[in-house]
Amino acid sequence: NAGVIQTPRHKVTGKGQEATLWCEPISGHSAVFWYRQTIVQGLEFLTYFRNQAPIDDSGMPKERFSAQMPNQSHSTLKIQSTQPQDSAVYLCASSLDPGQDTQYFGPGTRLLVL
Amino acid sequence: GNSVTQMQGQVTLSEEEFLFINCTYSTTGYPTLFWYVQYPGEGPQLLLKVTTANNKGSSRGFEATYDKGTTSFHLQKASVQESDSAVYYCVLGDSNYNVLYFGSGTKLTVEP
Repeated sequence: NAGVIQTPRHKVTGKGQEATLWCEPISGHSAVFWYRQTIVQGLEFLTYFRNQAPIDDSGMPKERFSAQMPNQSHSTLKIQSTQPQDSAVYLCASSLDPGQDTQYFGPGTRLLVL
Repeated sequence: GNSVTQMQGQVTLSEEEFLFINCTYSTTGYPTLFWYVQYPGEGPQLLLKVTTANNKGSSRGFEATYDKGTTSFHLQKASVQESDSAVYYCVLGDSNYNVLYFGSGTKLTVEP
């Protein structure tokens, strides 16, 4: 079991560029979650999918951020026109059943916007 | 809404000393409370889950309980080791466990 895989592990973008972050959940897990971690705000929920369907995106910034799960083996978080304040570690987690089970986190993608 | 307050930002102990970390929570539903631990360069990983007030969860020598009356929960370990050095988060799961609400974290440093 490889665990949750996130790529890239590090990404540097210039202000105004687009960034796409990838997450491969643990095989067989039906739920995928995205969180953002910064020193100032800590760990914050962004959005989650169950069986590939978006269920809750209440934590997502209303502009420039979007997430998709085109198939059961990967999810993407896209940030358009990146800004320095988007710099953070973006964490993906998956769980077997969102109502019954532990969330397993990937190692995160560290995004730096210059 | 749901929120967690974790006041101890940093704790430094010597090996074999007693660890106690306390958090308070706020929720409108029935809480499930977790402790997650994060090592450098890794994502958080589950340490303990406590689903019933006044019942203890335990793992790897750590124990956790929560008090519904005071809406507080805590993590303790009788004798810490240098390998326990990490950041510990108290976490509130909403009533469907769909979203985790993290405290601000306690960085534990255990000196040999």
